[in-house]
Parts: sequence; C-alpha cells; structure tokens
Amino acid sequence: DGGITQSPKYLFRKEGQNVTLSCEQNLNHDAMYWYRQDPGQGLRLIYYSQIVNDFQKGDIAEGYSVSREKKESFPLTVTSAQKNPTAFYLCATMTGDGYTFGSGTRLTVV
Amino acid sequence: AQSVAQPEDQVNVAEGNPLTVKCTYSVSGNPYLFWYVQYPNRGLQFLLKYITGDNLVKGSYGFEAEFNKSQTSFHLKKPSALVSDSALYFCAVRERDYKLSFGAGTTVTVRA
Repeated sequence: DGGITQSPKYLFRKEGQNVTLSCEQNLNHDAMYWYRQDPGQGLRLIYYSQIVNDFQKGDIAEGYSVSREKKESFPLTVTSAQKNPTAFYLCATMTGDGYTFGSGTRLTVV
Repeated sequence: AQSVAQPEDQVNVAEGNPLTVKCTYSVSGNPYLFWYVQYPNRGLQFLLKYITGDNLVKGSYGFEAEFNKSQTSFHLKKPSALVSDSALYFCAVRERDYKLSFGAGTTVTVRA
C-alpha cells in the first residue's frame, strides 16, 4: 500500500511472549505512526515518531515499545505487559497534508 | 473527549441511491479533515481531505464531502452508490503534532 510494507500479515503470539511487528517505508517520509484497530473503536494511536531517534507515546502506549534507528523503519514490539494484544495493527507515514497506510498486521494471542 | 464522531455504526442503501456517511468534529481552529475507506483485512485508503478553500471537496471513486463550519460537520456523500462501495469508512481530524484522530467507523452496505 503506497510504499509502506508491514510484515508479517498474520502473527500469532503465545501468552507471555514478546513479538515485533515490522514497518518499512520507501517514501522518504519523516513522520511514522502506529495505530491499533479494534472492532467498533476506530483506530487508536500507540506511538509516533517525527524524526529519527525520537518518538512519543500515543493514547494507548502501555505494553508497547518502539524504536526509530533509521528513517525507513519503525518497528513495534508488543510486550507481555500488553494484556489484550489481539488486534489489527496499522503503520502509517505522513508528509505535508497526506497520510499513507500500510496493509496491516493481524496479531492473535493463542 | 472524542475529536471526531461518526453517529451511525451502519448505513444501508440500495445500489443507485445516494449515499451519505455522517461525521462531526470538535477541534478548535481550522480543522484538517479526512475520509478513508477500508476493505476487509486491508489498510486504509485515502478518499479526500479538507484543508481550506471550497466547502465541497471532491475525492476518489466519485465521493465528495461537504465541510460545514457552523454545524462542525464533514459528511461524506456519493450521488449514486455501487455494490463495490460496501466497506468501512473512517472520518479523521488532524490534531497537534500532526496526529490523526479517527471516528469509530461506519460500515456501509450497498445492496444490489
């Protein structure tokens, strides 16, 4: 979807396990975002980064961590502290007035 | 308080009829407003945006939206709906730090 690659498409996590979701972009955009989607709740912001080596918590950051070591990459780690991680996760980038979304990763706890 | 509200969880229309998906916002100043569409297990696709200028904004796939400042609304419209328009639609507003806040989404079903 528009130069943003999210992988894997589907991910299964066991209880107490950390997992990392990948987001890579070739759009040369500075700002990157992670959203969580649950049915009936829209999209909620987890973390965002406006520049390399800097990131801020969004509305629901507890139980998640991120890094931004390269402009192209913004991986999201779902830690064992996240008690209800089953959801659809979307990565996005922004430049000017426009936002572009990846195709998402569906995480399921088994 | 939620910045964006979509008052209808579902909208059902017959093919060929007009389609309206409602959105109201509650940010101060001049809002940057967006509409996105999502098909099952896919990311969000951009439909249109309002930044400034004409209150009627035209977007992708024949959609348009009307910005109404006095009613703080940004309703999405399509004059003649298609079965392929059946999807989940999100309204969003840009907050400070360039973050997007989304409504809860409206599921549109267009019956043949």
